[in-house]
Amino acid sequence: AAGVIQSPRHLIKEKRETATLKCYPIPRHDTVYWYQQGPGQDPQFLISFYEKMQSDKGSIPDRFSAQQFSDYHSELNMSSLELGDSALYFCASSSSESEQYFGPGTRLTVT
Amino acid sequence: KQEVTQIPAALSVPEGENLVLNCSFTDSAIYNLQWFRQDPGKGLTSLLLIQSSQREQTSGRLNASLDKSSGRSTLYIAASQPGDSATYLCAVPWGGYNKLIFGAGTRLAVHP
Repeated sequence: AAGVIQSPRHLIKEKRETATLKCYPIPRHDTVYWYQQGPGQDPQFLISFYEKMQSDKGSIPDRFSAQQFSDYHSELNMSSLELGDSALYFCASSSSESEQYFGPGTRLTVT
Repeated sequence: KQEVTQIPAALSVPEGENLVLNCSFTDSAIYNLQWFRQDPGKGLTSLLLIQSSQREQTSGRLNASLDKSSGRSTLYIAASQPGDSATYLCAVPWGGYNKLIFGAGTRLAVHP
């Protein structure tokens, strides 16, 4: 069965650079979620999209933005990167209040 | 506001023991609860999903129970093995679009 796909799996950036993370949800899932997991922390909700419209927003810095495209894939854009942005970024998708399925994550390292 | 707490934070046991991991949540108006496994630096593997209408869910050596009224869930691991060593997280959906609120996890080490 198809799973959630995230790319790239690993990303190394320098401070003040920009990063773009991509997520391809499971086909026919209508909701996409982004989570950030810092070292030794539990995952924290960033933002979600329902049917390509932003549906909810968590503690996402103003330097971050996200969108969902017509083919349902989503991108998380992070600008002016800081050392503290180093984390695992997960994308998850679900269909109408059902179980959330997580992708393998993107490990972002900011140097 | 929904808060999720997991006890214990860490657990180290010899192989073969039966284990109980606890998860509690403050707002009982949930419609499901998920248990995840996470290996160090890796992704989240969904272990069990319990719907609010269910009391238990089983998968192999894992059994999860849910008591909504008391705001608690328990993950029971039977006959633990070294391969079970990982961090176990519980999470509940909350808010209009059901973002997951995670507990801090229980870090489990099973030694031979």
